[in-house]
Amino acid sequence: EVQLVESGGGLVQPGRSLKLSCVASGFTFNNYWMTWIRQAPGKGLEWVASITNTGGSTYYPDSVKGRFTISRDNAKSTLYLQMNSLRSEDTATYYCTRRFDYWGQGVMVTVSS
Amino acid sequence: DIQMTQTPSSMPASLGERVTISCRASQGISNYLNWYQQKPDGTIKPLIYYTSNLQSGVPSRFSGSGSGTDYSLTISSLEPEDFAMYYCQQYDSSPWTFGGGTNLELK
Repeated sequence: EVQLVESGGGLVQPGRSLKLSCVASGFTFNNYWMTWIRQAPGKGLEWVASITNTGGSTYYPDSVKGRFTISRDNAKSTLYLQMNSLRSEDTATYYCTRRFDYWGQGVMVTVSS
Repeated sequence: DIQMTQTPSSMPASLGERVTISCRASQGISNYLNWYQQKPDGTIKPLIYYTSNLQSGVPSRFSGSGSGTDYSLTISSLEPEDFAMYYCQQYDSSPWTFGGGTNLELK
């Protein structure tokens, strides 16, 4: 059974950093692109970052480019999202997804002083 | 960026009713269109990929169609568990973008 379990969320002050993790199981992790998606409270879904199966290429929308870094450790079947210079508008539930066909349960990030 | 316009934003409906949700892209997306269901607890369930292909385990009352810029999700006969939020998403070109959502609620 495919499982994606996010962790690392919490309350953080504006301008600080936070690193999310997503542990994958039930499939060959290094065969798949992985992606982070977020959803602000009461809002829709927004693509945040994607990474190729080898980790050799990464992709971001302009809203997070230069502040967020997606990475992966294929030996640990784990996906990461390093979030720096956090802003109040980054407050959201963050989901990891395997090529959009399996999703984790999400982890909440709140950016507030 | 490709804008995805989903209509309606809210849809009251009854058990057993047939409903259709529409999604229009600001430019052609070559059928690279997914549909998702989201429950109030936040759980996201992929329903359909590449316009019309059901994800594994999705009931056959769900179907998708469309081409070019216009796509739709149809539920042939609503069951109690179908009342939820629905989102479309294009993956033709980056940035991957989502529709604003349709809240399918019990009338």
